[in-house]
Amino acid sequence: DIQMTQSPSSLSASVGDRVTITCRASQSINTYLNWYQQKPGKAPKLLIYAASTLHRGVPSRFSGSGSGTDFTLTISSLQPEDFATYYCQQSYRTSRTFGQGTKLGIK
Amino acid sequence: QVQLQESGPGLVRPSETLSLTCTVSGGSISGYYWSWIRQPPGKAPEWIGYIYDSGSTYYNPSLKSRVTISVDTSKKQLSLKLTSVTAADTAVYYCVRTLVGKESSGSYPFDWWGQGTLVTVSS
Repeated sequence: DIQMTQSPSSLSASVGDRVTITCRASQSINTYLNWYQQKPGKAPKLLIYAASTLHRGVPSRFSGSGSGTDFTLTISSLQPEDFATYYCQQSYRTSRTFGQGTKLGIK
Repeated sequence: QVQLQESGPGLVRPSETLSLTCTVSGGSISGYYWSWIRQPPGKAPEWIGYIYDSGSTYYNPSLKSRVTISVDTSKKQLSLKLTSVTAADTAVYYCVRTLVGKESSGSYPFDWWGQGTLVTVSS
C-alpha cells in the first residue's frame, strides 16, 4: 500500500489567516492526489482532485499543488466554515489510501 | 443531484456477518465505480473496495478475504458483506461514487458520499 502522511496533524488559526497543509506519499503518485474536508458527524466532501483541480462549487480560496510525492492544500483566507478536518487520498494505486488527517481549529 | 442512502443493522455480534445496502437516487448507477469506505471513530477513512456497474470488483488487500460487494442495477442498489467481524470493524460505513472519465483528470476522486451508517460490533 502507498502510505500517505499529512502534516501537521492539527493546527490552530484565525479567521483571515493563510493556511497550508502538507501531504507526502511513500512513493511517487504523479498528480493522482485528492483532498477532502470533513466536519463533525458529516461525510467527507471533495475539495480538490488531480492535485490542483477545484471541484465544482468549492470556493476559490482553496487551492492545491504538487506532484510526485509532495503536495499542499492552501486556504488563502480562512473563513469560519473552514474549521474542519482535511484528508488527502491517493488514487495512483487501485487500493486507495488516505492520510491520517489534519484537524484545523480556531485559535 | 445524486443521493446515496446506506441502510442495515446498527449492531452486529462478533464473528457474524455485517450486511449493508446502499440505494442510489438522482442519477445513473451505470458508468461509475461505486465504493464502500469506512471510518472508525476518531480515525481516517479506510477504503474497503469498489464495484463497477458490470460487476467487476476490487477489494482492499487487508480485507479481501472477508469482503463481498455486489450491485443490482435494476434496483439501483449496492451491497456490502463483511464476514467474521470483530470490534475492529466498528465504524461509520459510507457508500461512495467515484468520478470517472475525462472529467476526473484520471484522478478518480470520490465525489458523492452517502451520509454514512454507524455499525457497532459488540455482544
